[in-house]
Amino acid sequence: GAVVSQHPSWVICKSGTSVKIECRSLDFQATTMFWYRQFPKQSLMLMATSNEGSKATYEQGVEKDKFLINHASLTLSTLTVTSAHPEDSSFYICSAGDEQYFGPGTRLTVT
Amino acid sequence: GQQVMQIPQYQHVQEGEDFTTYCNSSTTLSNIQWYKQRPGGHPVFLIQLVKSGEVKKQKRLTFQFGEAKKNSSLHITATQTTDVGTYFCAGPGANDYKLSFGAGTTVTVRA
Repeated sequence: GAVVSQHPSWVICKSGTSVKIECRSLDFQATTMFWYRQFPKQSLMLMATSNEGSKATYEQGVEKDKFLINHASLTLSTLTVTSAHPEDSSFYICSAGDEQYFGPGTRLTVT
Repeated sequence: GQQVMQIPQYQHVQEGEDFTTYCNSSTTLSNIQWYKQRPGGHPVFLIQLVKSGEVKKQKRLTFQFGEAKKNSSLHITATQTTDVGTYFCAGPGANDYKLSFGAGTTVTVRA
């Protein structure tokens, strides 16, 4: 139990385009999901807390208009990186539920 | 805000030797969690410690939670090549479930 999936697992996009990443809790419902970003050889940094049915809470320094989060159901949260730039290239990982079960991550490369 | 510090950042170990990674928080933690991330992979939950002074073992891994619940350690005995990866500790905030991750200890093993 407690499986979290992410899609896509990796994506390459051109600078200026937008990319949507999905996080799904497969066998449980999650009122809360968390989005992290991990740059190479660095730790996980929390970007935002996604709350079902309400606005996400963003950490200091994270642009809410650039990283759009939608948590429309109890099993799905999406993170859209808008107008992506090469510096947005990173490993994006979600976790779901208060126990924070982690998804497998999405590796984004912006060219 | 809460900070979780972890040392050492890198640990190069001879196969068969023991090593320890340490985690310290600037505030008292309700619990502390440990994760392992293999190269190219995502963090995988290892264990959660809740009680003051708690010690838990998983085969060759021994986890400790300090009496003051502000520090923790992970000790690995007889290191094997399968132990390669980055070990993170993480603690929740005082009033929410948001996890603050340590910088991680990246372990390499020489045969």
